[in-house]
Amino acid sequence: QSALTQPASVSGSPGQSITISCTGTSSDVGGYNYVSWYQQHPGKAPKLMIYDVSNRPSGVSNRFSGSKSGNTASLTISGLQAEDEADYYCSSYTSSSTYVVFGGGTKLTVL
Amino acid sequence: EVQLVESGGGLVKPGGSLRLSCAASGFTFSSYSMNWVRQAPGKGLEWVSSISSSSSYIYYADSVKGRFTISRDNAKNSLYLQMNSLRAEDTAVYYCARDPTGTMRPYYFDYWGQGTLVTVSS
Repeated sequence: QSALTQPASVSGSPGQSITISCTGTSSDVGGYNYVSWYQQHPGKAPKLMIYDVSNRPSGVSNRFSGSKSGNTASLTISGLQAEDEADYYCSSYTSSSTYVVFGGGTKLTVL
Repeated sequence: EVQLVESGGGLVKPGGSLRLSCAASGFTFSSYSMNWVRQAPGKGLEWVSSISSSSSYIYYADSVKGRFTISRDNAKNSLYLQMNSLRAEDTAVYYCARDPTGTMRPYYFDYWGQGTLVTVSS
């Protein structure tokens, strides 16, 4: 069982927007602004999409955005494209001895 | 261009040992904390271990503490993971990943290698 809770799957049509939630506790997501999001295509390494809740690394499309409210962080993808179909993982700094915790991952299907 | 290339994975029997390596290029390796993150087949990501730029701070997940040892050689731009007393549940793709924050504890990872598969089975 993962420390952070994500929906197993989400789907959307091209051009639509979707949001993936990531729920933790006050010891991780809720306590720090250190939430990150990763995109992983099948057989590939994860790619950083969002860090520090809402910052995008250079080269990541502005269609990807992050936010946080209380113990829940969210990743929103607007203007869905076929290449967005992938697994998405949230992660957070935690005050526990685990140091970094991940969500179980969400499979995004572009219909 | 930042590149991280893992090697050393393979098939090992339960109780056995394996040493993973990660060769880094395209950045000043000695300035960054480095990490190992693993992914069991069909499962999610799990942070394994972290080492600061000068090796002063080292952290392990509880699941590997006492069995795995992380190390680095800044002169060779290389990161290592010595894995002992391996168990079936250690079977996973092991990724080498860079932490860009410059802090002593791991926060997030901006570059990842392609991974190396470790299979623990009799």
